Amino acid sequence: DTAVSQTPKYLVTQMGNDKSIKCEQNLGHDTMYWYKQDSKKFLKIMFSYNNKELIINETVPNRFSPKSPDKAHLNLHINSLELGDSAVYFCASSQDALAGGGTGELFFGEGSRLTVL
Amino acid sequence: GQQVMQIPQYQHVQEGEDFTTYCNSSTTLSNIQWYKQRPGGHPVFLIQLVKSGEVKKQKRLTFQFGEAKKNSSLHITATQTTDVGTYFCAGQDSNYQLIWGAGTKLIIKP
Repeated sequence: DTAVSQTPKYLVTQMGNDKSIKCEQNLGHDTMYWYKQDSKKFLKIMFSYNNKELIINETVPNRFSPKSPDKAHLNLHINSLELGDSAVYFCASSQDALAGGGTGELFFGEGSRLTVL
Repeated sequence: GQQVMQIPQYQHVQEGEDFTTYCNSSTTLSNIQWYKQRPGGHPVFLIQLVKSGEVKKQKRLTFQFGEAKKNSSLHITATQTTDVGTYFCAGQDSNYQLIWGAGTKLIIKP
């Protein structure tokens, strides 16, 4: 079984459309994330979410919204898509804290490549 | 804001040569993680360093965490084609937020 799975793997759509990417983890982790990776390979955190707290990167436009129906799922909704939203979006999960604090290793999904035309 | 600078951006090596990537933080880190992303793939965790001055080895890979917990390096001895990819460091700050380096792309010359 895949630990972190996200769908769809590829998404091609027109500007102005609304789309969603789904993510599920079967690791029992407390925290899930959405990352955006642009063409230069920079990994940019968009959101982190656990049962207690949603942390939003303030640079993320409010057209992007995470929705978590339960602990194992964190979906990403994008409204009014723009050309600059084209990127690979990675979902990830981690255990909440290690002994002494801190986040454990991140497990990434395989990515969803979004192309906005 | 806090930054983790990672250099170089690219490194071209002949197969069999060594490879090193370096990360430097503007502030003291709680710990640092390293990830590898193969072309077309997703980042995969390699290791986490927690202690000041820590050195860990995984076969041909050697990871170091500086005494001041502000810098780290990954060294690969005698690179192989399977080592191709982008290597990222990610440091945890005092709030346990992960701050990612920009990555170093390892390219094996034909």
